[in-house]
Amino acid sequence: QVQLVESGGGVVQPGRSLRLSCAASGFTFSSYAMHWVRQAPGKGLEWVALIWYDGSNKYYADSVKGRFTISRDNSKNTLYLQINSLRAEDTAVYYCARARISAAGLDAFDIWGQGTMVTVSS
Amino acid sequence: DIQLTQSPSTLSASVGDRVTITCRASQNISTWLAWYQQKPGKAPKLLIYKASSLEGGVPSRFSGSGSGTEFTLTISSLQPDDFAIYYCQHYDTYFITFGQGTRLEIK
Repeated sequence: QVQLVESGGGVVQPGRSLRLSCAASGFTFSSYAMHWVRQAPGKGLEWVALIWYDGSNKYYADSVKGRFTISRDNSKNTLYLQINSLRAEDTAVYYCARARISAAGLDAFDIWGQGTMVTVSS
Repeated sequence: DIQLTQSPSTLSASVGDRVTITCRASQNISTWLAWYQQKPGKAPKLLIYKASSLEGGVPSRFSGSGSGTEFTLTISSLQPDDFAIYYCQHYDTYFITFGQGTRLEIK
């Protein structure tokens, strides 16, 4: 079945780096734009980043620009999020999500992973 | 940047009630709006896209309407499974934003 599975979260000290992964299965991963969305404990949803189907274009929320890098390996059906210089305010559940039918942006998110928790604490 | 404001923030209702949640955009977003349902500890679930298109598998008691700056999500007859948090979302080619959420509680 169509599925996204995130991994790579954990407890990390401020200033350190982390790479999150999102393994896709059950669909042609290379045909879809993909997103990362995060949710701080008890808070709402915050869009983080978008990558086009072929990796040619990437877009970021202003709050993470310069510290976060989204990438993908279509040969491995995997999406990544590199997070550098972690801050306490990066503490959140990080979800990967698929754009419904679009290879670029301009679409709702129809498939979500279960999320991976990142806790930034000394 | 475009901002989305949902109202109310919390809504108390009973099974069988008809409820409406409103999402207002700070500028014209045409119909580039989606609605999601989120239950505790779970990922959001897409309900409505393009303001009024029902996602496959979503019960027909959910409906969306609106364009421009004002949008609504309506649940025609609340079921026990519908008590959750609802988010609206604006999506663009390179910009996405969510409303702050509406908590739908059992009265």
